[in-house]
Amino acid sequence: SQQGEEDPQALSIQEGENATMNCSYKTSINNLQWYRQNSGRGLVHLILIRSNEREKHSGRLRVTLDTSKKSSSLLITASRAADTASYFCATADRGSTLGRLYFGRGTQLTVWP
Amino acid sequence: KAGVTQTPRYLIKTRGQQVTLSCSPISGHRSVSWYQQTPGQGLQFLFEYFSETQRNKGNFPGRFSGRQFSNSRSEMNVSTLELGDSALYLCASSPDLGYSGNTIYFGEGSWLTVV
Repeated sequence: SQQGEEDPQALSIQEGENATMNCSYKTSINNLQWYRQNSGRGLVHLILIRSNEREKHSGRLRVTLDTSKKSSSLLITASRAADTASYFCATADRGSTLGRLYFGRGTQLTVWP
Repeated sequence: KAGVTQTPRYLIKTRGQQVTLSCSPISGHRSVSWYQQTPGQGLQFLFEYFSETQRNKGNFPGRFSGRQFSNSRSEMNVSTLELGDSALYLCASSPDLGYSGNTIYFGEGSWLTVV
């Protein structure tokens, strides 16, 4: 399978705590993206990191990419109840078109007020 | 700017029937991709269209087909529906094929239930 794998599958924390999710993948990639999905809804794009980048920030989000280990992490700082959702990493293979993404199974994050 | 619009949002079909789902990309976007999401298989790529041409196809049977129109709107069709086709079908659009790494944006999806 060319899918990524997120770890952990489920994460439960209190508001104000940080949440860290990890993603591993198998192929050489152009970029890696993180998406959020609220129950039964579409995917919301959070952040894209290119294969030549090592770290990227967006608001309370911090993403790292280690292409030598084929892994990425998503850190959400000072989490809020509204961050409760499933989080997916998605990769675009090197040389492939952008629309063909490979998704992991996701991490279900629950943030308790 | 309006986002990716998918219709219908919910539908129920009977085994053996066919279904057509529609997707309107973000204005100016020319690439449209389709994904199927199920609890068992997760998010799986169906196909990708650009300039009315299918550019990529995932590992799905021939019952799954799609097309793109000159205004970039896309439709996907599933014939001879099976219970296992029950899923959330997601459409995504991007300005181009994005070899350089642009973001793709997803719609809210169409929930298909096959009974």
